[in-house]
Amino acid sequence: GAGVSQTPSNKVTEKGKYVELRCDPISGHTALYWYRQSLGQGPEFLIYFQGTGAADDSGLPNDRFFAVRPEGSVSTLKIQRTERGDSAVYLCASSRSGGSGANVLTFGAGSRLTVL
Amino acid sequence: AQTVTQSQPEMSVQEAETVTLSCTYDTSESDYYLFWYKQPPSRQMILVIRQEAYKQQNATENRFSVNFQKAAKSFSLKISDSQLGDAAMYFCAYKSRADKLIFGTGTRLQVFP
Repeated sequence: GAGVSQTPSNKVTEKGKYVELRCDPISGHTALYWYRQSLGQGPEFLIYFQGTGAADDSGLPNDRFFAVRPEGSVSTLKIQRTERGDSAVYLCASSRSGGSGANVLTFGAGSRLTVL
Repeated sequence: AQTVTQSQPEMSVQEAETVTLSCTYDTSESDYYLFWYKQPPSRQMILVIRQEAYKQQNATENRFSVNFQKAAKSFSLKISDSQLGDAAMYFCAYKSRADKLIFGTGTRLQVFP
């Protein structure tokens, strides 16, 4: 697609529920990133995919968070047993691999998660 | 570990005037990239300007320019002829060649008519 698409735009859920957030990167971008942005803060890195594999998942806060990218395009961030502290905007970004363009991330508009 | 520091939580400027946003970073690497991103209330993170560390010349994009001081690890953003549409959160960010993008805490810029 022309840009990075994230769905849903907003998600309200109850504490303890399971949530999936989806990211559709720019066509041809092999690198995909997930970030979490709490209110009034800068984005915090969660996980980075190069193709289908997670190249760096050091930012995932605990084992309730998991992300997949099975075909090297669309990615899903999965949060189990949600807690109120998980409330944030979840941003996805993608970039090309190789060359100077590899270092320019294009972001989606984010998914705002609210856990009641 | 690399860190990015933005010491100005909020800044304000009058329309048509110039404002400078500060950013410092810490790294032991020599090959890296620095960015300024703008985030309006729509949440979309928009790339404003990019600087490659090996280039001594400061990057410029229309009304936006940077002052890159590699030895001091400083990367400030200058916005000239400020416009109402420049009002947003501005994030400074660092990225080494094959690593993740690391953001600062942001500066909220207000533009007054």
